Amino acid sequence: AQKITQTQPGMFVQEKEAVTLDCTYDTSDPSYGLFWYKQPSSGEMIFLIYQGSYDQQNATEGRYSLNFQKARKSANLVISASQLGDSAMYFCAMREIPSGSARQLTFGSGTQLTVLP
Amino acid sequence: SAVISQKPSRDICQRGTSLTIQCQVDSQVTMMFWYRQQPGQSLTLIATANQGSEATYESGFVIDKFPISRPNLTFSTLTVSNMSPEDSSIYLCSVVVGADRVYEQYFGPGTRLTVT
Repeated sequence: AQKITQTQPGMFVQEKEAVTLDCTYDTSDPSYGLFWYKQPSSGEMIFLIYQGSYDQQNATEGRYSLNFQKARKSANLVISASQLGDSAMYFCAMREIPSGSARQLTFGSGTQLTVLP
Repeated sequence: SAVISQKPSRDICQRGTSLTIQCQVDSQVTMMFWYRQQPGQSLTLIATANQGSEATYESGFVIDKFPISRPNLTFSTLTVSNMSPEDSSIYLCSVVVGADRVYEQYFGPGTRLTVT
């Protein structure tokens, strides 16, 4: 079974609007971390935001926020006030941490976001 | 966070040759990894680079094809051996920093490899 599911292969958003990129995950470990990365056409992977499974509040980093709904096992990325430079591929990832030892990152298939002027 | 550099940033290689990719980190890190991203795909973990010992390879990847060295806590190399067009990918070095269950992971800028 897929551990990380991103159901939106492509998304379009108007400049200055907000956009939500969906991510659902599957794990039976109570301890895990959720990550979002941005990959522009240059190929680098840029770390955006992190949410721990025990964190009480949703993570925020500037224009990025993570809508963490633990019961639904979803970790959607919200980008506010989209900019043309936000056009990129976005990957959701999870690391399970059973008994304090971290496992490898598992990545979703990605969502290609295009910001329209 | 960590600043990671990779060399070369891109290369075009002939079938049957080998390419060594270097990864340099600006601080000592315990966990260092190599990933492959084939065109239009997500990232796949090749191996964990272990300092002073043999790398730990994921299923489907073998040492003869992807030999890895890690002589110290800030540097690693990945060699793509006997290349074929199917090896055309972005290869990314990655490190984990943090503690107390916050295992933040950062990536280098990647090496874009084209095999002809």
